[in-house]
Amino acid sequence: QQQVKQSPQSLIVQKGGISIINCAYENTAFDYFPWYQQFPGKGPALLIAIRPDVSEKKEGRFTISFNKSAKQFSLHIMDSQPGDSATYFCAPSNDYKLSFGAGTTVTVRA
Amino acid sequence: KAGVTQTPRYLIKTRGQQVTLSCSPISGHRSVSWYQQTPGQGLQFLFEYFSETQRNKGNFPGRFSGRQFSNSRSEMNVSTLELGDSALYLCASSLNGWGDTEAFFGQGTRLTVV
Repeated sequence: QQQVKQSPQSLIVQKGGISIINCAYENTAFDYFPWYQQFPGKGPALLIAIRPDVSEKKEGRFTISFNKSAKQFSLHIMDSQPGDSATYFCAPSNDYKLSFGAGTTVTVRA
Repeated sequence: KAGVTQTPRYLIKTRGQQVTLSCSPISGHRSVSWYQQTPGQGLQFLFEYFSETQRNKGNFPGRFSGRQFSNSRSEMNVSTLELGDSALYLCASSLNGWGDTEAFFGQGTRLTVV
């Protein structure tokens, strides 16, 4: 059962542009909604996360939008920089585990 | 503050052998989780331990096992290795394992089965 569907698989954005990644889930038991960032040769690192009682959270250039009724949440990267080039994973959680999406490879062109 | 330490970083094993991977969590963290990362299946949850007790287990065969020691260090073992077990194995530690506490990942152990 594929509980978490992430899109797009990859995207290319110009420096200063906006990157948008979407995540749809089926399991209504998920109770926390993080996004992780992974660089080659490194483990994933928490980027930003949101609780289900909040519809939006912003931290610097990164924003999560959460739609509980649609069972979707998204990551917006504003003013994208070359250093943002990485793979991004949504990973909603419950029962002490993270359920990772397939990942989105973001490439920021200078 | 030291991060999550996984050893070894790289391993090459032969089909049928067994392997043990080690994870030292961040000091004070009592929850340790293990994940398998492959190009085809992505990141998949293996198991989670807290205070030496396994609280959750993913959909992996019984060849995959783990344990946690009283100092929170954890090991995972894979017996009778198969070619398909080749993957990056990631360990994550957190204070208590609850979803709203940040999970910190190590750099992983790259296992190659030949």
